[in-house]
Amino acid sequence: KAGVTQTPRYLIKTRGQQVTLSCSPISGHRSVSWYQQTPGQGLQFLFEYFSETQRNKGNFPGRFSGRQFSNSRSEMNVSTLELGDSALYLCASSSEVGETQYFGPGTRLLVL
Amino acid sequence: GENVEQHPSTLSVQEGDSAVIKCTYSDSASNYFPWYKQELGKRPQLIIDIRSNVGEKKDQRIAVTLNKTAKHFSLHITETQPEDSAVYFCAASKRANQFYFGTGTSLTVIP
Repeated sequence: KAGVTQTPRYLIKTRGQQVTLSCSPISGHRSVSWYQQTPGQGLQFLFEYFSETQRNKGNFPGRFSGRQFSNSRSEMNVSTLELGDSALYLCASSSEVGETQYFGPGTRLLVL
Repeated sequence: GENVEQHPSTLSVQEGDSAVIKCTYSDSASNYFPWYKQELGKRPQLIIDIRSNVGEKKDQRIAVTLNKTAKHFSLHITETQPEDSAVYFCAASKRANQFYFGTGTSLTVIP
């Protein structure tokens, strides 16, 4: 099976702009989770979607939002970008009943 | 919510020696503990996991131990090789698909 894919791989934005990141899970996986990875903070959980519904949510401000489509592809949106939003954004997919998460390559976002 | 602490943050070992990374968690309801390896510029990859009904699991040179009473689990890598150099993350979960990660350990294996 093809692995988890993310687009774009790199993004440069300026403060105040918004950005949309995309994640395509492994075929058959219905759960997609998003993480923010920064040096020193490790991976921080943003939210998880399952069958188009947000099932779990981490402690991030409302500027971070997401959605999932009927084909399980997911998008994450960050509005009013701040310098501190510069990070690697990873998504991970897992099966309906399994707990193993498989990560995508990430989208590296730089906010200037 | 769950809080996962990971130590040490950096670890250097000579090739052939063993490496141990330790994690503690706060929520006694957590029942699944995966370990991920992330090489520079690459995605995290699952290397081993353990569930709360098991005390130890081994896969070739890698082993994980879990102490539910003390709420800590450890990764053991024996006979380390240069290709083991990477950042290792532990995680804890009490329900499917919500994971809390440690801050990572950067392991360097010196040839």
